[in-house]
Amino acid sequence: DTAVSQTPKYLVTQMGNDKSIKCEQNLGHDTMYWYKQDSKKFLKIMFSYNNKELIINETVPNRFSPKSPDKAHLNLHINSLELGDSAVYFCASSPTGGHGKLFFGSGTQLSVL
Amino acid sequence: DQQVKQNSPSLSVQEGRISILNCDYTNSMFDYFLWYKKYPAEGPTFLISISSIKDKNEDGRFTVFLNKSAKHLSLHIVPSQPGDSAVYFCAASARGNTPLVFGKGTRLSVIA
Repeated sequence: DTAVSQTPKYLVTQMGNDKSIKCEQNLGHDTMYWYKQDSKKFLKIMFSYNNKELIINETVPNRFSPKSPDKAHLNLHINSLELGDSAVYFCASSPTGGHGKLFFGSGTQLSVL
Repeated sequence: DQQVKQNSPSLSVQEGRISILNCDYTNSMFDYFLWYKKYPAEGPTFLISISSIKDKNEDGRFTVFLNKSAKHLSLHIVPSQPGDSAVYFCAASARGNTPLVFGKGTRLSVIA
């Protein structure tokens, strides 16, 4: 049973399209995250939700909108995709007081053409 | 502004030898440090961590050393095995609701 699962694994789309990535965790964790790994291989935090509430929103374009319908799900919707959005997007979760010990999904490779 | 730096993009080690992966940080507010391991097409998985109140933490073949005065930590893998070949990320966090900050990773290749 996959602890943190995200879909799709690969996403190829044209510039200007809107797309969503879904994430679910069955670990019972309170906090969920979206990280982006760009072409330079940096893993950077985008958003963090705790019990469905947004607690961290880094300097991410507002074309990116996270949605957390419940504490086990955190989806990422991206409007008007641009070439520079091409990256691997990782969902993660952590327990409260977990000292930042994150459990990651397997990633979504987004390619914008 | 890289707060966590892994200056070696890659490292190659013979099977059975020691692998040493290094990490430097700049933010003196960091008080917890973690190492993650990542295989291709998978997400990073937690490997080992250390609190700033310690200078060493050991878990089987993996040991992390922390030198706070130098703002440096290292991961030792002894003995190295081919299955250890992966990208290793160093990460750090500060107290409070701060997110993990990652380095760029070091690709370790263990040669049989």
